[in-house]
Amino acid sequence: AQSVTQLDSQVPVFEEAPVELRCNYSSSVSVYLFWYVQYPNQGLQLLLKYLSGSTLVKGINGFEAEFNKSQTSFHLRKPSVHISDTAEYFCAVSDRAQAGTALIFGKGTTLSVSS
Amino acid sequence: DSGVTQTPKHLITATGQRVTLRCSPRSGDLSVYWYQQSLDQGLQFLIQYYNGEERAKGNILERFSAQQFPDLHSELNLSSLELGDSALYFCASSVGRRDHNEQFFGPGTRLTVL
Repeated sequence: AQSVTQLDSQVPVFEEAPVELRCNYSSSVSVYLFWYVQYPNQGLQLLLKYLSGSTLVKGINGFEAEFNKSQTSFHLRKPSVHISDTAEYFCAVSDRAQAGTALIFGKGTTLSVSS
Repeated sequence: DSGVTQTPKHLITATGQRVTLRCSPRSGDLSVYWYQQSLDQGLQFLIQYYNGEERAKGNILERFSAQQFPDLHSELNLSSLELGDSALYFCASSVGRRDHNEQFFGPGTRLTVL
């Protein structure tokens, strides 16, 4: 079984500051890793994904994440945030060996960007 | 726009009632997933269908059921509704291949049980 822990439930930052949202996972099998964003009153949108290859993954809106197998982490980073990045961010995993399996989500991190 | 559509957007009903939520996946996607998002439980996987067949079950109550039709749209049926069933219900779809598990989410149906 897999599980995902998002270490911070809320992260307040000022505009143009860097941010890191932390995600650790636990799994007995190899996994795919994802970050989704949910803006207020909207569905989930994929920010980025790690399937294989380079451990540094670049996504949309200037976000990037680094897969660290030894630490079982997949932290999300952005060097300079904007007010529009205010949203809920979810880290998720799925079983690499099973075709199209369900995503297991963390509890989410609320990123609040203020001016 | 993810290409996944869900209807209705909002649903308000009373305890004990039954409702049906509908989802149309992206063109070409064979897998449909249903998730429930609530404040206390977070985002939880309910059930998955692949090309009309049930593939996996998560934390789905016996009062809930789902199906996927030949045209690949899916319906989630919730019966004997309780106050605690109030939540946002998301449908997601994916191609369903092992090497391509990106899921695309619909806008959700917000269910309020009074």
